[in-house]
Amino acid sequence: GENVEQHPSTLSVQEGDSAVIKCTYSDSASNYFPWYKQELGKGPQLIIDIRSNVGEKKDQRIAVTLNKTAKHFSLHITETQPEDSAVYFCAASSPSGYSTLTFGKGTMLLVSP
Amino acid sequence: GAVVSQHPSRVICKSGTSVKIECRSLDFQATTMFWYRQFPKQSLMLMATSNEGSKATYEQGVEKDKFLINHASLTLSTLTVTSAHPEDSSFYICSARRAGALNEQFFGPGTRLTVL
Repeated sequence: GENVEQHPSTLSVQEGDSAVIKCTYSDSASNYFPWYKQELGKGPQLIIDIRSNVGEKKDQRIAVTLNKTAKHFSLHITETQPEDSAVYFCAASSPSGYSTLTFGKGTMLLVSP
Repeated sequence: GAVVSQHPSRVICKSGTSVKIECRSLDFQATTMFWYRQFPKQSLMLMATSNEGSKATYEQGVEKDKFLINHASLTLSTLTVTSAHPEDSSFYICSARRAGALNEQFFGPGTRLTVL
């Protein structure tokens, strides 16, 4: 089955800096890669996603890049703000079966004012 | 659009009792819903996939007789934790996929279950 590795597990940045979180996946058939933000005590919120036919996608301060050859994808947050502090999860999904999501272990991002 | 609700948000029960958690897609029809469990400071672990009108598909290691899932309509799935024990205490999260959508899942706010 799919295996998703996520790094780093914790990331501390100063407000205004950029933050990068990286994930690798094992199943070359995976074709959908979402990123979720989870605040304490809440459910995950989809912040951006990318499909395997695209190399990069951007939405304001957030961008995701995908390297299918290397089987890795990354989340980039620019001009970080204290409200970006949360746990971020990457996930991967293949088109087989029910297209279930396999999650990385998460990255706790702390943005200091 | 794509709002998913869960009820209750928190529940405390005694060991040996059963607890039912509801997951609703409020503004779309969901042919597939997913149930996850999340322990503190850990990732989401898929427990089962439910399709409207059919039996749920459970992940390896998840007891289907303990975690009963019913997906009776295109907007409602329920998870019943039977004979709950303290080790079942966790954060249970559902997600729903729109009918006809490829992969996207929209998550509910979660239910915190505490078994005393």
